[in-house]
Amino acid sequence: DAKTTQPPSMDCAEGRAANLPCNHSTISGNEYVYWYRQIHSQGPQYIIHGLKNNETNEMASLIITEDRKSSTLILPHATLRDTAVYYCIVRIAYGQNFVFGPGTRLSVLP
Amino acid sequence: DVKVTQSSRYLVKRTGEKVFLECVQDMDHENMFWYRQDPGLGLRLIYFSYDVKMKEKGDIPEGYSVSREKKERFSLILESASTNQTSMYLCASSSPGYGYTFGSGTRLTVV
Repeated sequence: DAKTTQPPSMDCAEGRAANLPCNHSTISGNEYVYWYRQIHSQGPQYIIHGLKNNETNEMASLIITEDRKSSTLILPHATLRDTAVYYCIVRIAYGQNFVFGPGTRLSVLP
Repeated sequence: DVKVTQSSRYLVKRTGEKVFLECVQDMDHENMFWYRQDPGLGLRLIYFSYDVKMKEKGDIPEGYSVSREKKERFSLILESASTNQTSMYLCASSSPGYGYTFGSGTRLTVV
């Protein structure tokens, strides 16, 4: 599975959009981009995933560049409850397991 | 919603004890996983299973074993608990092609 690179930490003001970047320059054609988050002392929670088209659900939007070498997770109106560690993972659809890197610690500030 | 339930939220055990961590999922998922999470080391895969009675070693299987007698239940066993197994243990399940659903975790302390 391709490796990903994320900034270790970010801050965002409450009510503003949080844009979390992820680089995956070695991604292969059959690998999806997945995003999870982990709120303190809880198990990671699935957010969204995509292959090459942009995706949106009730939690977030995922923007994948045309060359698929990077992506951005967007939380459109961040709240204090969005403070968490966010993990970007690339994996083939039928891969056996996810490999979690250190992620980005997002702090939403009042 | 898929639920993955881990039997204990907090557990304290003595060195040398045999410890069972239980995980149950209610959505008929084929795949189940056990991770441990430690500060600075992230999530590390211990074992996974893609079918009943099947198991595969992950990245750090030493000191652990697993059991999957029924599709919905995946147990992690510490044969003889040691202090370096103090950690947060996370169970997850998935169907092929889909993402994981994690349990809430079990924080195990071995004294």
